[in-house]
This record gives sequence, structure tokens and C-alpha cells, in this order.
Amino acid sequence: EAQVTQNPRYLITVTGKKLTVTCSQNMNHEYMSWYRQDPGLGLRQIYYSMNVEVTDKGDVPEGYKVSRKEKRNFPLILESPSPNQTSLYFCASSLGPSGRWAYNEQFFGPGTRLTVL
Amino acid sequence: KNEVEQSPQNLTAQEGEFITINCSYSVGISALHWLQQHPGGGIVSLFMLSSGKKKHGRLIATINIQEKHSSLHITASHPRDSAVYICAVSYNTDKLIFGTGTRLQVFP
Repeated sequence: EAQVTQNPRYLITVTGKKLTVTCSQNMNHEYMSWYRQDPGLGLRQIYYSMNVEVTDKGDVPEGYKVSRKEKRNFPLILESPSPNQTSLYFCASSLGPSGRWAYNEQFFGPGTRLTVL
Repeated sequence: KNEVEQSPQNLTAQEGEFITINCSYSVGISALHWLQQHPGGGIVSLFMLSSGKKKHGRLIATINIQEKHSSLHITASHPRDSAVYICAVSYNTDKLIFGTGTRLQVFP
């Protein structure tokens, strides 16, 4: 089954404790992206990747890191989480390189609800 | 200021009603997506439009490039259509910009 998986689905942590949210897709997609969703603000892009070893900042990258060492995986790293990073996080992927991915179906993971105390 | 505006923010309907959700954007785009977010939180892609009209079952999506406007229509609405509908656009960049969503509730 074609899918995007995220782990963990729910996480409660404390300020400053490093964490990683994993994202994996089994569709051989080039494009992967991380979003956060906050009430009243909609989905906002954190980082995206056009292919292996190619990543770039989205609209709200502060406090986050990513890596793309393999095509299928795109982990989101919070080196020192703060309460303002409490949010619902989505990973997504799409077929296609730069200029083409936006014309293809976007596949979303199930979401990770993160609470930072 | 969000570059993608959706209306209405909330919509309540009786089963069987025809539903229209609107999306406006500010400048020329390369692609527009309609997404559905279920009450459990999962997001699925409904349509991608760069021009014209698409239909899938009871869902119809249209886009007017000149007016910078897209609509999502649901015919013969059903309680299972209750969800948040999200419009997202690509402005010839490698990013998607999202509207804040329209929350639809369909009552039996």
C-alpha cells in the first residue's frame, strides 16, 4: 500500500529535550516536506526536500532541522524544543522534481501531535 | 496576511444540499490543490487543478485563472462529507501555500 508513515503519532516532552520525528514514504517520491498546523493559521511549511541531500527552508524553519540521506526518509529534528513548537506536524511527499511536483497528488502522513511542556 | 483566502470559514448543511466552498489567491499560480482533512486529522488529496474543471463522484472542482478563484462543489451532501476542506496553491516555487480551511458539517 502506497503510504507516508510518521512516528511517533503522539509525543509529550519537556523544553530542551532533543527529539526526532521520523517520516518515511514507499512511493519513490522525490519531493518531501514537513508542515505544522496550528489553529487559525492553517498548514505552514517548515522544510522541504527536492531529492536526496537537497533540502531547503520553508516559511517557518526556526528551531527545526532536517536531513535527506535516503530518498524514502525525511526526519524532522527539534534540537531544543520549546513550548511554541507545540503543534500538529505533517510530513508529505509527491512525485516529481522541481517544477513538476506541484502538479502531482500530494500524499500526507497521519500527523504527529507534539506537546512541549 | 495569508495569500490564499477561503470562504466560508464554517459551513453547516442539511443532508442532500449542494455545497460550495471558495478559494481566492493573489497572483498567478502554477497549481491549486483541494485537500480534505478528516475529523481524526488525516489529510487526503482531492484534486489538483491548473485549469478548467475536474469531477470525482459527487465532488467537482473548478478554477478561473483570470479571476484567481477556485470553487469546490459537493452535490447531494452526506454526513460523511463532514470535514475540513483546504485549498493550497503553488506560486511557481517549490512550496505550497495553504488556506486556513473551511469546516463543513452536514447533518442528517
